[in-house]
Amino acid sequence: SQTIHQWPATLVQPVGSPLSLECTVEGTSNPNLYWYRQAAGRGLQLLFYSVGIGQISSEVPQNLSASRPQDRQFILSSKKLLLSDSGFYLCAWRTGHNSPLHFGNGTRLTVT
Amino acid sequence: KNQVEQSPQSLIILEGKNCTLQCNYTVSPFSNLRWYKQDTGRGPVSLTIMTFSENTKSNGRYTATLDADTKQSSLHITASQLSDSASYICVVTEISGGYNKLIFGAGTRLAVHP
Repeated sequence: SQTIHQWPATLVQPVGSPLSLECTVEGTSNPNLYWYRQAAGRGLQLLFYSVGIGQISSEVPQNLSASRPQDRQFILSSKKLLLSDSGFYLCAWRTGHNSPLHFGNGTRLTVT
Repeated sequence: KNQVEQSPQSLIILEGKNCTLQCNYTVSPFSNLRWYKQDTGRGPVSLTIMTFSENTKSNGRYTATLDADTKQSSLHITASQLSDSASYICVVTEISGGYNKLIFGAGTRLAVHP
């Protein structure tokens, strides 16, 4: 069966520090991978998606970047965190455009 | 602008009671509509999916309806249980060229009390 692992579960980082959140998927190949941010009282905001190794699409300009070094690995990064980067970050995968998204358990990031 | 609006924002019900959550959307054209359940501190999990030609879909005590003419969907929960306490998110898939974009509602936070 397919599983998705996202870590860490919680993270507290000072402003200006770097960030690296990792997400891996098991049990499937060539998944579409996604990074979302969820703010309280608002819908999930798509940050990045990837349809293949090295292929990254960004939905909104921001202080973050994403990489897909391997087929089932998706990394969210920042060189210097801002206070506004605080939030709940969710990684997700699916096999195609009309299949359901399968989410990880999220990372609660607090930038202090 | 394509949007998904959910109501109410939050809801408290007693265990064993029924409830209905609403989702109105302006997404067009759309290919399908899903309801997700998100437990606190966890990722959302898909409950139901309906295409534009479907009117209703059930998953156990959860029944989703869709009226593509009025662009409204509802999620009905029957005989609620404490484990139903969660946020319920309506997601509409917008047909957009070669990539179908997902438009998320802000969710309804449901609390089931004993």
